[in-house]
Amino acid sequence: DSGVTQTPKHLITATGQRVTLRCSPRSGDLSVYWYQQSLDQGLQFLIQYYNGEERAKGNILERFSAQQFPDLHSELNLSSLELGDSALYFCASSGTGWNNEQFFGPGTRLTVL
Amino acid sequence: EDQVTQSPEALRLQEGESSSLNCSYTVSGLRGLFWYRQDPGKGPEFLFTLYSAGEEKEKERLKATLTKKESFLHITAPKPEDSATYLCAVLYTDKLIFGTGTRLQVFP
Repeated sequence: DSGVTQTPKHLITATGQRVTLRCSPRSGDLSVYWYQQSLDQGLQFLIQYYNGEERAKGNILERFSAQQFPDLHSELNLSSLELGDSALYFCASSGTGWNNEQFFGPGTRLTVL
Repeated sequence: EDQVTQSPEALRLQEGESSSLNCSYTVSGLRGLFWYRQDPGKGPEFLFTLYSAGEEKEKERLKATLTKKESFLHITAPKPEDSATYLCAVLYTDKLIFGTGTRLQVFP
């Protein structure tokens, strides 16, 4: 158990809908990262937050957004969903050092029908 | 283009048959190289961090090494429970770039 929690575990929805994925980092970790993992693309970095502020951005679509709240939990919002958005979404957290290891949550499996 | 390439894509071993997985990278300004293990449908599990060429880390049957352009994950006398996908990731600037992984299957 990494100490990172994600909810829900599974999500099934229809095209065009909007969903919110939630992540709680390990106790004491200030950084939260979001990744998308699909069968054909591997783990793709989406976005990082550090203590409430956006820190780095990867291949995140404009239809996707994230935020980190004062209690350090984070939410990833996915809107206007398409079939291709079906994937595993992982959250990871790390400490304050620039090269700290990232610890991953169990993921949310999103299925868009 | 900054890249992380893992080989082989898949590896089948007999229990006890040692082997190595490769991770090569082309990023400049490497800040760290990480190895993770991922079981199907689960989040990656952290294994090792390597920071500089010549560094080695060991954990049970696994040993990771780093050179200026690649890293190896050596698996000594593997057991069926070592079956998983092994991912390497390279940290540069503020981003972690993952390779696509090596899917390892160990048969009894």
